[in-house]
Amino acid sequence: EVQLVESGGALVQPGGSLRLSCAASGFSFSSYEMNWVRQAPGKGLEWISYISSSGSIIYYADSVKGRFTISRDNAKNSLYLQMHSLRDEDTAVYYCARGYVAAVSDYWGQGTLVTVSS
Amino acid sequence: EIVLTQSPGTLSLSPGERATLSCRASQSISTSYLAWYQQKPGQAPRLLIYGASSRATGIPDRFSGSGSGTDFTLTISRLEPEDFAVYYCQQYGSSPPYPFGQGTKLEIK
Repeated sequence: EVQLVESGGALVQPGGSLRLSCAASGFSFSSYEMNWVRQAPGKGLEWISYISSSGSIIYYADSVKGRFTISRDNAKNSLYLQMHSLRDEDTAVYYCARGYVAAVSDYWGQGTLVTVSS
Repeated sequence: EIVLTQSPGTLSLSPGERATLSCRASQSISTSYLAWYQQKPGQAPRLLIYGASSRATGIPDRFSGSGSGTDFTLTISRLEPEDFAVYYCQQYGSSPPYPFGQGTKLEIK
């Protein structure tokens, strides 16, 4: 069974940093592209980052470019999102999702909540 | 950058009726790289359709997708009680970003 489990969400002050993790199991992690998608409270979905299966190709949404860094460790079956210079508008549930075709995601974790507030 | 606009914002229908949801792109989407997702409250999204018209694994055949270029449609032929949810489209062409539409809420009438 495919499982994606996010962790690392927390309450953080504006300007702070946080690292999210996503532990993958039930599939050959190193063969799949991965995405991070977020959802602000009561709002729609926002794609924020993509990483290829090898990690050699990475994309970001403009809203997080220069502040967030996606990475993966295929030996540990793990995906990461390092977030710096956090803003109020970064408050959201962050989902990691398996890429079925590029940014199309066929399996999703249950999400981890990041709250940016003073 | 492609912007996706979904309509209507809210659709009120009864079980057994047909639902037609629209997703319009601000510019043509290459090779019909458009997906549809369903999201229920408190749950992660679920992939329904990719490539504009291909059903994802395990998706009932009452869900169908169509369209090309800038106009895409998700059709649910006969609504079941479990189909009432929010639906999102997403474009995933060759170049990022890969935005979602703002969503259509399908509610019970």
